Amino acid sequence: SYVLAQPPSESVAPGQTARITCGGDNVGSKSVHWYQQKPGQAPALVMYYDSDRPAGIPERFSGSNSGDTAALTISRVEAGDEADYYCQVWDTDTDHWVFGGGTKLTVL
Amino acid sequence: QITLKESGPTLVKPTQTLTLTCTFSGFSLSNSGVGVAWIRQPPGKALEWLALFYRDDDKRYSPSLKSRLAITRDTSNNQVVLTMTNVDPVDTATYYCAHCLPRVGAFDAWGQGTMVTVSS
Repeated sequence: SYVLAQPPSESVAPGQTARITCGGDNVGSKSVHWYQQKPGQAPALVMYYDSDRPAGIPERFSGSNSGDTAALTISRVEAGDEADYYCQVWDTDTDHWVFGGGTKLTVL
Repeated sequence: QITLKESGPTLVKPTQTLTLTCTFSGFSLSNSGVGVAWIRQPPGKALEWLALFYRDDDKRYSPSLKSRLAITRDTSNNQVVLTMTNVDPVDTATYYCAHCLPRVGAFDAWGQGTMVTVSS
């Protein structure tokens, strides 16, 4: 089955830019979605179709996907961005859904 | 506004069958491509997709759990039910249901989750 790999953790200073990666075999040919999960809360969709933001998500959040790597970039990071972030694809070949292992973003 | 809420037992004994109910509002499963998924998260671990319901004759299951899962719908109550047989302590997790965007494959609305512990 399809596998998505994420770094377990990333850290960034407030005001700087965080880039969270999601690796997969030719993931650039798939649509990648991203979720933010804060402690004790359900995940929330923050990016879909690689780079589309749902309503209410700040423009500081952007996404990209090419080759074997997709990425979620958060500009001008704020303390409130500290959370776990998960990438996800819908593998249309098998009609199964796959999540990455998650990245814990720490704002220093 | 789409809302979903999970309900079910908080404690289940090993080898028993777990039944979870997702009660939803704000959308209809009659709309083409709309689905309701079940996703779980063991304590401190990652999300894992379990199953997705499109229609009574169209369902999807995680290959690793397919033999133990069944997903059904109670139309009259706007509910989707997940049944997991022969549970084990490794099935201890928070179980979420979520609305799946048609043709996108992303989950744009989630329930609050329900924590299930498997223990004797």
